[in-house]
Amino acid sequence: DIQLTQSPSFLSASVGDRVTITCRASQGISSYLAWYQQKPGKAPNLLIYAASTLQRGTPSRFSGGGSGTEFTLTISRLQPEDFATYYCQQHYSYPLTFGGGTKVEIK
Amino acid sequence: QVQLQESGPGLVKPSETLSLTCTVSSGSISPYYWSWIRQPPGKGLEWIGYIYHSGSTNYNPSLKSRVTISVDTSNNQFSLKLTSVNAADTAVYYCARAIYFDYWGQGILVTVSS
Repeated sequence: DIQLTQSPSFLSASVGDRVTITCRASQGISSYLAWYQQKPGKAPNLLIYAASTLQRGTPSRFSGGGSGTEFTLTISRLQPEDFATYYCQQHYSYPLTFGGGTKVEIK
Repeated sequence: QVQLQESGPGLVKPSETLSLTCTVSSGSISPYYWSWIRQPPGKGLEWIGYIYHSGSTNYNPSLKSRVTISVDTSNNQFSLKLTSVNAADTAVYYCARAIYFDYWGQGILVTVSS
């Protein structure tokens, strides 16, 4: 199985901050990586797929990058509605796997 | 806008079978992959498996011996059966489209308890 390690697991930030979350894969996954946002009591919401392609409706302040084994999710200017937990997910091989999550909280 | 809705019992006894159905509306089951994903309370996400509209399946090896996913294209539904459940199977169960998941159901909490 491909392991995905997210860092940090917890992040405290202020509105307007630039935030970057990293996802590292245990082996190369080309660009087959997606990012999700999950708010309490809700299903995850797809933000980015294929490492850097914004899903329809994702605000442009979100961006994704990387390939191979190292990937990033960046929020250029954090908004109040962005405080949530973020997960990466590889769709390169089976079983499909998720990272452990990064919780972004208000400083 | 495709909508997914999970249904089934919220409480299952240990050693019994968990059965859930996902109904797809405002869209067709074909020609997509459809997955089940679960999330234990306060924890991360685990992919359970998928079914293609044709009926082919792929399961997470960690659950493969206990999982069956089936599809009913005439009713735009797909289903999950998980046998011999125990407390570790307590989770919110989601259905979702494809292998990166662009549409999700709202989730259903299934508790395994006597």
